[in-house]
Amino acid sequence: SAVISQKPSRDICQRGTSLTIQCQVDSQVTMMFWYRQQPGQSLTLIATANQGSEATYESGFVIDKFPISRPNLTFSTLTVSNMSPEDSSIYLCSVENTYTEAFFGQGTRLTVV
Amino acid sequence: TQLLEQSPQFLSIQEGENLTVYCNSSSVFSSLQWYRQEPGEGPVLLVTVVTGGEVKKLKRLTFQFGDARKDSSLHITAAQPGDTGLYLCAGPMTTDSWGKLQFGAGTQVVVTP
Repeated sequence: SAVISQKPSRDICQRGTSLTIQCQVDSQVTMMFWYRQQPGQSLTLIATANQGSEATYESGFVIDKFPISRPNLTFSTLTVSNMSPEDSSIYLCSVENTYTEAFFGQGTRLTVV
Repeated sequence: TQLLEQSPQFLSIQEGENLTVYCNSSSVFSSLQWYRQEPGEGPVLLVTVVTGGEVKKLKRLTFQFGDARKDSSLHITAAQPGDTGLYLCAGPMTTDSWGKLQFGAGTQVVVTP
């Protein structure tokens, strides 16, 4: 299984500011994924990040709001831009292995005030 | 979009009782995964079911994939307080990536001593 580390684990931010979340994996992976989990709800895929190409966003998510970087095969960042209280959520990164399995980081709990 | 419906949304039981969580869809999935998420943590993969009719056991947890690969169930025998958590089923959104997942709404299980 992959070991995934996310930073920060939690943050409280002022509205209108931006926060960059880092995701580090202990092995090289082709695709990394970013999910959002709103309070009391399930996970929703934001985007897929491939190394060397632009991220692919799901319906309802746009690059201007959630820019993603993928500089190498073990690292990715997700930025939540121009935050509002509605962005208060847990943000999770995940990776897949070759055995039909997906593994998740511990998440970043974001509160926007 | 392939919708995954989980039921019930919430289960509160006494230690030693049995419980079953259901995950249903009108669409066929190539596989389904079950996760457990505890507060402050990311989802942890419990099992992946791939073959229609498949039954997998993980200690006191039994997972079943429907013959038509449209539904799955999770049965816990003699539940313990350590089984408390949010149980999520998930299926791949596309055929080219295991990690691009669509999640059910989740079932919050509380096991009291």
